[in-house]
This record gives sequence, C-alpha cells and structure tokens, in this order.
Amino acid sequence: GQSLEQPSEVTAVEGAIVQINCTYQTSGFYGLSWYQQHDGGAPTFLSYNALDGLEETGRFSSFLSRSDSYGYLLLQELQMKDSASYFCAPPGSARQLTFGSGTQLTVLP
Amino acid sequence: DVKVTQSSRYLVKRTGEKVFLECVQDMDHENMFWYRQDPGLGLRLIYFSYDVKMKEKGDIPEGYSVSREKKERFSLILESASTNQTSMYLCASSPGQNNEKLFFGSGTQLSVL
Repeated sequence: GQSLEQPSEVTAVEGAIVQINCTYQTSGFYGLSWYQQHDGGAPTFLSYNALDGLEETGRFSSFLSRSDSYGYLLLQELQMKDSASYFCAPPGSARQLTFGSGTQLTVLP
Repeated sequence: DVKVTQSSRYLVKRTGEKVFLECVQDMDHENMFWYRQDPGLGLRLIYFSYDVKMKEKGDIPEGYSVSREKKERFSLILESASTNQTSMYLCASSPGQNNEKLFFGSGTQLSVL
C-alpha cells in the first residue's frame, strides 16, 4: 500500500519562495509526481521525478530523495495565481496509485 | 494538446435516478480512471480500466458501475443515485503503465437531491 504525508496548508506572500514537502511509504517505487488543482478545477500535472535530484520547470522545481522517502515541490517568485492545492502522488499501478490529501497554498499580496 | 472531456460540468439528479457520466479522451491512452473528490477525503478511486471492455474495481466501487466499449470512452454509471453520491467526479487517462502522468477532465459536480 501507499502512505503519504503533506502539510495541509501553507501561506506565503507574492514574490516569495515556498517549499511543499511530501513524505511517503510505498510498496513499490516509480518516482514521485506532483499535481496542481485550483479551486473548482481539475488536477493538472506539474512534474515527475523518476530519479533522485532536482527537476526544474520554470518557476517550479521538484526534488526527490528515494533514500529518505521524501520529496518536495519548490515554487519561486510566487504569484497570486499559484494559490491552489498541490498533491504529491507516487506513480504505480492503478490500484497502487495514491494521491496525498493535498497542501492548500495561499499567496497573499 | 491532449484532452479529456467530461460531458457535464454540473449535474443535478433525484434520488433513485440512473445517472451516466461520460468521459472521452483523444490521446489513445490505454488507462482510464474514475475518481470522486470530497472535501477532506482527497481523490478516491472508484473504477479503472486498462483496455477496452476491461474494468476493475477501485477503492469505493459500491453503487457504481462502468463501461468501456471503445478505447476513447469510459462511462461511469450510478445505478440508483443516492444523496451520499453527491460529489465532484473526475475522469483521468494515462499513457504509461506506471501512471506517472495523469490527464484529468474538468470534472462533473453532481448533486443528488
């Protein structure tokens, strides 16, 4: 089975940097994915780390440490539109696939 | 651009009605999923399908059935809607066996009165 932990809420101001952590326990391992979901909208894929290290995509970066069963999503130069929920999800078979409960990010002006 | 389309954005039904939620993807993906999302409970898997005419139960299949007659279409059926099935329903598809990247539809907010 899978077990995931994320902070439930994070608040930051525009222009700041914020890190959303994810710790997991999984019976099989295929990396770690991240999704963004705006209020009332559908989740959209942000990033996938198959291996240890940092993956950068514009203002967003994602990090994975398999030895620590830990990853994080780093959002830089925060904008108001980044206010959303962020989910980590270790990939796997459909039955194994689990989404974290999500971190609600609020960006203040 | 890849696309997963759900037939209705909002739906209001009466208790006992049979409800069909349609989902179509244009990416030739093998894997398709139905989730429901409720406040505080996250995404919960109802059913999934790896191929045409193939379906498997997820974590909360009770009260639901599915149909996948064509690769691009995955339908969720509520045989007799109940108030506890009021929820946001999300369809998703995935190209990879490990499902590292899911594409979601815009969701259907279903209210059962």
